[in-house]
Amino acid sequence: DVHLVESGGGLVQPGGSLRLSCAATGFTFSNYWMTWVRQAPGKGLEWVSNIGGDGSEKYYVDSVRGRFTISRDNAKNSLYLQINSLRAEDTAVYFCARGGTSGWPFDNWGPGTLVTVSS
Amino acid sequence: DIQMTQSPSTLSASVGDRVTITCRASQSIIYWLAWYQQKPGKAPKLLIYSASRLEGGVPSTFSGSGSGTEFTLTISSLQPDDFATYYCQQYNQYPWTFGQGTKVEIK
Repeated sequence: DVHLVESGGGLVQPGGSLRLSCAATGFTFSNYWMTWVRQAPGKGLEWVSNIGGDGSEKYYVDSVRGRFTISRDNAKNSLYLQINSLRAEDTAVYFCARGGTSGWPFDNWGPGTLVTVSS
Repeated sequence: DIQMTQSPSTLSASVGDRVTITCRASQSIIYWLAWYQQKPGKAPKLLIYSASRLEGGVPSTFSGSGSGTEFTLTISSLQPDDFATYYCQQYNQYPWTFGQGTKVEIK
């Protein structure tokens, strides 16, 4: 079975940084695009970033480009999101999901990790 | 960016009802549309992809249709486990975008 588990969330001050991780099991990780999606408290879903199987292709939503960096380590079956210059509006649950390229939806999701930006 | 608009935002229904949710895209997305179900405090779950293809393990009471800019999710007979929020999402053009969600409540 596909299993995704995020970690690394927490409380951080505005302007701070965090590194989120997503551990993947149950599938050949390097064969799949991977994605980060976030959800602010009480709000809808927002796609944040995705990365190709070999890590060479990366895409970002405009609101995070230049502040967030997506990466992966296929030897460790892990996905990462480095988030810098955090703002209050980045407060959200961050989900990792498998898929997210053209023609491929988000077919499996982790439970999410909460990032709270507050002083 | 492609805007996805769902209607209604909230829907009150009873067990056994037939329920339809509409999703409209601001430009053609061909059939690159997915539907997700989300329950409070949980991750979304993929129900439908490519507008009408049922994800494995999803009950056949769920179905999707449409192409271009207009799509529908239908639940043919609402079950107690189906009370949740439903999101459509386009994956035709970056940035991938979601509808604002439709909450299906118990009437």
